[in-house]
Amino acid sequence: DIVMTQTPLSLSVTPGQPASISCKSSQSLLHSDGKTYFYWYLQKPGQSPQLLIYEVSNRFSGVPDRFSGSGSGTDFTLKISRVEAEDVGIYYCMQAIQLITFGQGTRLEIK
Amino acid sequence: EVQLVESGGGLVQPGGSLRLSCAASGFTFSSYAMSWVRQAPGKGLEWVSSVGGSGTTTYYADSVKGRFTISRDNSKNTLYLQMHSLRVEDTAVYYCAKYGEDFEREARPSGLFDSWGQGTLLSVSS
Repeated sequence: DIVMTQTPLSLSVTPGQPASISCKSSQSLLHSDGKTYFYWYLQKPGQSPQLLIYEVSNRFSGVPDRFSGSGSGTDFTLKISRVEAEDVGIYYCMQAIQLITFGQGTRLEIK
Repeated sequence: EVQLVESGGGLVQPGGSLRLSCAASGFTFSSYAMSWVRQAPGKGLEWVSSVGGSGTTTYYADSVKGRFTISRDNSKNTLYLQMHSLRVEDTAVYYCAKYGEDFEREARPSGLFDSWGQGTLLSVSS
């Protein structure tokens, strides 16, 4: 099974400041088709999860451009250029190259 | 507008059975793969099972394999999760999620869940 490990597990950010979350997979997520099956989801308080980033770096429809994803192979990063109050919640990374597994989640709060 | 409405959750004794349903609307149901993802109280997300658009291809997490069965009725635009031999550790909110494509038709992996339901709570307790 592929294990997804996120760091940090929590972070507190002042509005307007940047934030970064790392996710490492136990195996490469690069498929033979050339795509990397890695995703970021956000679960806001009291809500269902929502897709932020797909295939490492593609922002989903409606996701603000302050969110960006990068990485390759086994190491991935989600960056928020300027955190806003509406960004609070738990961020999950996820792999889909071998069934599906999520990271433990990173809780983002506003200072 | 895509809508996914789960139902069927409740309180069940260990060893019991239950079937969850997810009524879908706002899209061509048979053209998309579907999935169940669960979240134990205060815990993170755990993928449970996925099914292709035709219903032929199914995948399961090891934790539920042999106990849970995913299925779909494309004539009713409804996704199901039949659960048997329920355990205390199956207690969770179960979310229905729509893929952004049909992995069956595309013949490639996918983790792009573009819509989620509000979830239904299953409690397994004596």
